Amino acid sequence: GAVVSQHPSWVICKSGTSVKIECRSLDFQATTMFWYRQFPKQSLMLMATSNEGSKATYEQGVEKDKFLINHASLTLSTLTVTSAHPEDSSFYICSARSQPNYGYTFGSGTRLTVV
Amino acid sequence: AQSVAQPEDQVNVAEGNPLTVKCTYSVSGNPYLFWYVQYPNRGLQFLLKYITGDNLVKGSYGFEAEFNKSQTSFHLKKPSALVSDSALYFCAVRGGTSGTYKYIFGTGTRLKVLA
Repeated sequence: GAVVSQHPSWVICKSGTSVKIECRSLDFQATTMFWYRQFPKQSLMLMATSNEGSKATYEQGVEKDKFLINHASLTLSTLTVTSAHPEDSSFYICSARSQPNYGYTFGSGTRLTVV
Repeated sequence: AQSVAQPEDQVNVAEGNPLTVKCTYSVSGNPYLFWYVQYPNRGLQFLLKYITGDNLVKGSYGFEAEFNKSQTSFHLKKPSALVSDSALYFCAVRGGTSGTYKYIFGTGTRLKVLA
């Protein structure tokens, strides 16, 4: 079946540094990928839609300059959290459309802790 | 606006008993409905979806869901719960109008199956 690989699974970084999270579709091409953020005991909030070869579409309230998204190929999208702060600590999940009839596959998530 | 409601934060059920996790939705157009399961520090795993057709949808791990248009509900069910079913369950909806590719997730319901 379709697999989306997300790396790293967890990361700890210092305040002010940047962290890059990768999302790869392993056995299918994904023209569109999605990035979500999940706070503890809360639902997933869509941050942005990543489109291959074009700029990402960000949801209202999401800072474009803080959460940089790049979708340079049909199998890779990256989310870079720039100048991270403790309030950016969260669980980040990517997903990609893997089937024509609205099937989406999710990555295993990245736990980001900013200290 | 599209929305999904999961009225129960937690559902407790004894092993071997039937389980139901509730979900109601509000969308314009035809609803595309999904159930996902999440284990601790993991991404979401697809369980089942309703796009069209039979109101009773069968999915992975013995789960099924019933689409009820008049009650705008899509409750998740399983005839006999297992301890290993204990996890966080999300209902999601995607709007049926052209160009709307976003998932809207419910707040999640934690299922606890007691041995």
